[in-house]
Amino acid sequence: EAGVAQSPRYKIIEKRQSVAFWCNPISGHATLYWYQQILGQGPKLLIQFQNNGVVDDSQLPKDRFSAERLKGVDSTLKIQPAKLEDSAVYLCASSLDSDRAFQETQYFGPGTRLLVL
Amino acid sequence: QKEVEQDPGPLSVPEGAIVSLNCTYSNSAFQYFMWYRQYSRKGPELLMYTYSSGNKEDGRFTAQVDKSSKYISLFIRDSQPSDSATYLCAMSAGGGNKLTFGTGTQLKVEL
Repeated sequence: EAGVAQSPRYKIIEKRQSVAFWCNPISGHATLYWYQQILGQGPKLLIQFQNNGVVDDSQLPKDRFSAERLKGVDSTLKIQPAKLEDSAVYLCASSLDSDRAFQETQYFGPGTRLLVL
Repeated sequence: QKEVEQDPGPLSVPEGAIVSLNCTYSNSAFQYFMWYRQYSRKGPELLMYTYSSGNKEDGRFTAQVDKSSKYISLFIRDSQPSDSATYLCAMSAGGGNKLTFGTGTQLKVEL
């Protein structure tokens, strides 16, 4: 079974530029998550999709971050304009279905390492 | 106060040692407790998954949950250099609720 795929793996941009990350979840997984992991911290959930609908985006800085999951499969996360504090690893994860009583296992991709100069 | 507290380390132990990693939490609604292992420049991978209180063993790994104390632990027996990684605890209230992660403990097992 193929894992969660992410690209690019690394990205260096200057502040105020825009950047986009792509994620392809495990086949058949209805739920997709984007996390931000700042150096020395645990992952923080930015947005959660169930199929192509948003379940939770309470911690997404909506003035500069946007995400979409067209057709309920692949997803893109965009930052525009980027700030220095956006330097982090952006992790994508997927699970079978979050619309259940118990906690589904989340499977993580390798992440995209972003450096904003 | 953070919802989940975890000592960031680093923790350095000799090969073969027993390692104890811990997290405390404040949200009494948490019912599901996980430990993830994260190697450098990789995504987290699930190591242990526990529901409610009690112990769970898987090979050299044992996870313990004490909900009365809001304290969870991961024990690694006969530690190996390949266990060198960052260990993240994570927990949720279940269902569609989000995972809340600790900061991670960096472990180094030396030859």
